[in-house]
Amino acid sequence: QLQLQESGPGLVKPSETLSLTCSVSGGSISTKSYYWGWIRQPPGKGLEWIGSMFYRRTTYHHPSLKSRITISVDTSKNQFSLKLRSVTATDTAMYYCTTAYGSAHPIDSWGQGILVTVSS
Amino acid sequence: QSVLTQPPSVSAAPGQRVTISCSGSSSNIENNLVSWYQQFPGTAPKLLIYENRKRPSGIPDRFSGSASGTSATLGITGLQTGDEADYYCGTWDSSLSAGVFGGGTKLTVL
Repeated sequence: QLQLQESGPGLVKPSETLSLTCSVSGGSISTKSYYWGWIRQPPGKGLEWIGSMFYRRTTYHHPSLKSRITISVDTSKNQFSLKLRSVTATDTAMYYCTTAYGSAHPIDSWGQGILVTVSS
Repeated sequence: QSVLTQPPSVSAAPGQRVTISCSGSSSNIENNLVSWYQQFPGTAPKLLIYENRKRPSGIPDRFSGSASGTSATLGITGLQTGDEADYYCGTWDSSLSAGVFGGGTKLTVL
C-alpha cells in the first residue's frame, strides 16, 4: 500500500487557483496499477469525488468541476497534483489525495488530508 | 444532494447487528461495483468493502456487503463502541462518467 502526503497552501483567496501536490512513497507513480485521484470533504459534510488520472494520460473529472480542474502527474518527483481555478467559498474543504484500483473506486490509499480555506 | 442515498444515521446496541443501505440507480449501483468506507472524526476514510462484498486484508468478517439491483447494503454484526463512525458507499456513475458517494451514515452504538 502506498503512502500519500498532500501539501499546499491552507488559505486561498476567492477567484484564485487552488494548487495541491500529493507526494507518493512506497511505489512509483509510473505504475499502471492505480488511478491517482482527489476527494474533498467540506467541513461537517460528506465526501465529494473530484477526479482521477490513469498512467499520465486518461483523466476523469466530476462534471460539476470539470471546467475548473486539472490533474497532472510529475514522474520526476513521484508526485501528482490538483489545480482548481476560480475558487469560491464553496470550495473550502479538506482535500485528500488517493489511489484507486478503478477510475474512482475502490480507494485503497488516502493521504491524511489538507484543509483548504477560501477566504479573502 | 448526493447521487447515492444513505440514511443520515443508524443506531444499535453493542453486540447487535446493523445494516446501512445505499440506494442508487441503473447508471451507478445496478451496473457498477460498490465500495464502502469507514471514517472516524478527524481522520481520512478507510476502505471497508470493495466489489460489493469483498473485504480488504485486516477488515474483520463482522463487516459484510451486498448489492442487488439499484441498492447496496453494508452489514455490521457484533457491534462495538469502536465501530461508531461515519460510513459512506461509493461507486462509478456511468451517466456522469464520474465517481459518486452516498451522503454518509453516522453509526451510533448505544
